[in-house]
Amino acid sequence: GQQLNQSPQSMFIQEGEDVSMNCTSSSIFNTWLWYKQDPGEGPVLLIALYKAGELTSNGRLTAQFGITRKDSFLNISASIPSDVGIYFCAGQTRGSARQLTFGSGTQLTVLP
Amino acid sequence: SQTIHQWPATLVQPVGSPLSLECTVEGTSNPNLYWYRQAAGRGLQLLFYSVGIGQISSEVPQNLSASRPQDRQFILSSKKLLLSDSGFYLCAWSVNTGPQHFGDGTRLSIL
Repeated sequence: GQQLNQSPQSMFIQEGEDVSMNCTSSSIFNTWLWYKQDPGEGPVLLIALYKAGELTSNGRLTAQFGITRKDSFLNISASIPSDVGIYFCAGQTRGSARQLTFGSGTQLTVLP
Repeated sequence: SQTIHQWPATLVQPVGSPLSLECTVEGTSNPNLYWYRQAAGRGLQLLFYSVGIGQISSEVPQNLSASRPQDRQFILSSKKLLLSDSGFYLCAWSVNTGPQHFGDGTRLSIL
């Protein structure tokens, strides 16, 4: 089956620093999604990418759909304490119900 | 706007007892519905998905079952819970080619 490799697994950064995380796959995806999960809650959609090469921003977050369709990255600029959480990438393929393949997550800790 | 509700938020059940978790979606019609399990804050595992009433696809053989009695209702069940069924259960919805949106989850602990 398809697998996503998400890195890094965890990050400790100072408040105000920029953050970058990425996902790679051996398979092609038609859509890349980035989610954030706070403790005890469900993942919340941050950014959706639908075209190879697409670069999309959502406030301080920027994500790109890799040109090969096998990778994506998420950048967070000027991190703040509320950025703490687990970030997941997910790839989506065509097909019934369009199931997602999830990365294993990046645990982000922001130090004051 | 669309909303998704899951309940209960937390549940403690003894081994061998039955289970019923419910998920409902409001504000949309004919959504795709999903049940996931997440262990230790990582790795969402797709358990079931449904593209319509009465249509259920199972991704992983297990002690659980799912049903969709109404368009916007998705139920996760078990006749006899195992210790290994403990975890964080998430329901999600999507429409057409759009992304999945998740509920707030149910924390299930088996004693």
